[in-house]
Amino acid sequence: GAGVSQSPSNKVTEKGKDVELRCDPISGHTALYWYRQSLGQGLEFLIYFQGNSAPDKSGLPSDRFSAERTGGSVSTLTIQRTQQEDSAVYLCASSLRGEGVGRFFGPGTRLTVL
Amino acid sequence: QQPVQSPQAVILREGEDAVINCSSSKALYSVHWYRQKHGEAPVFLMILLKGGEQMRHEKISASFNEKKQQSSLYLTASQLSYSGTYFCGTAPINTGTASKLTFGTGTRLQVTL
Repeated sequence: GAGVSQSPSNKVTEKGKDVELRCDPISGHTALYWYRQSLGQGLEFLIYFQGNSAPDKSGLPSDRFSAERTGGSVSTLTIQRTQQEDSAVYLCASSLRGEGVGRFFGPGTRLTVL
Repeated sequence: QQPVQSPQAVILREGEDAVINCSSSKALYSVHWYRQKHGEAPVFLMILLKGGEQMRHEKISASFNEKKQQSSLYLTASQLSYSGTYFCGTAPINTGTASKLTFGTGTRLQVTL
């Protein structure tokens, strides 16, 4: 596809359930990022993947959050035992390797934990 | 540490100019600027790198004052399409990489007729 895609676009779940969010980056982009945006807030960094290097997980808020990237392409963000404070829009972005490049964001997944 | 953006919100008439500032408490390696329209994903505008030149995207330009650890976004002759929330993202110099940008809380810009 032409851009970053994410699925599902909306997810409503009950507190305590696990959820999986998917991101399909732009073809050829070696870097992939996950961010979280709460209502009216800025973008909170979660995790960064670059090629085959070990991911930078320093932004993950708790051990209930994990992410993987298979084959250097598609990524899945998993949230276990969801809490109401996990409700937010989860945004994925990808970019080419390098410092002078911008990030291309997907449309996001709106997660609502009841 | 999160950069501080100012103003938090601004309303302009079409054709007017505006400046959005982004300040960090840390020495910066790079500054990114993004615009997000309501209900949409952020869209990349430009990057400013340490030692780099002032950048421009259409009638929007930006500067990076390394000594002041500050970047400014200049919107000239604003158009209705400029409406949205503008975010700066900063990468501190001690990391030497922009892998983990820290974003400000955004500046909400509304352009009216």
